Amino acid sequence: GAGVSQSPSNKVTEKGKDVELRCDPISGHTALYWYRQSLGQGLEFLIYFQGNSAPDKSGLPSDRFSAERTGGSVSTLTIQRTQQEDSAVYLCASSLQVAEAFFGQGTRLTVV
Amino acid sequence: AQSVAQPEDQVNVAEGNPLTVKCTYSVSGNPYLFWYVQYPNRGLQFLLKYITGDNLVKGSYGFEAEFNKSQTSFHLKKPSALVSDSALYFCAVRDVTGGFKTIFGAGTRLFVKA
Repeated sequence: GAGVSQSPSNKVTEKGKDVELRCDPISGHTALYWYRQSLGQGLEFLIYFQGNSAPDKSGLPSDRFSAERTGGSVSTLTIQRTQQEDSAVYLCASSLQVAEAFFGQGTRLTVV
Repeated sequence: AQSVAQPEDQVNVAEGNPLTVKCTYSVSGNPYLFWYVQYPNRGLQFLLKYITGDNLVKGSYGFEAEFNKSQTSFHLKKPSALVSDSALYFCAVRDVTGGFKTIFGAGTRLFVKA
């Protein structure tokens, strides 16, 4: 596709359930990022994939969060046993190594 | 570890006046620097970047930014603000010697009053 695609656009889940968020990056982009944005706030770095290198997971807030990137393309962010504080917009971005990142529209996660 | 600081939560400016949104950074190596804008209920849009070369970079919508290595700053500027510039602005830094991870500042909300 022409841009970064994220699905679903909105997700409402019950506390304690697991959720999976999907990101399709721009074709050919070697870098993929996940960020979290609470209402009107800044972007919190979660995880970064670069080519075949080991991902930088330094931003994951707890062991309930994990992400993978299959075949150097599609990425899935999984949140296990969701909590209300996990409610936020989850943003995915992709880039070439020396270029700006392009963002998807995000997945708005609401934990009730 | 790399970091970005946007010292102002909010900047208010009158339409037609110049605007500045401040950004300072900290990296162990050479930085790539970026500015993004986020309009209400919309995704982040890229404005401009500094990779190398001229310290003054020009971007979209008449915005520009000046890279100052000695002050580790990358302030966003526009000579004449428009009401439509009102939005949330984010500065970001990528440490090219630290794995190319990109870190964003907390954001600065710009209000341009008619």
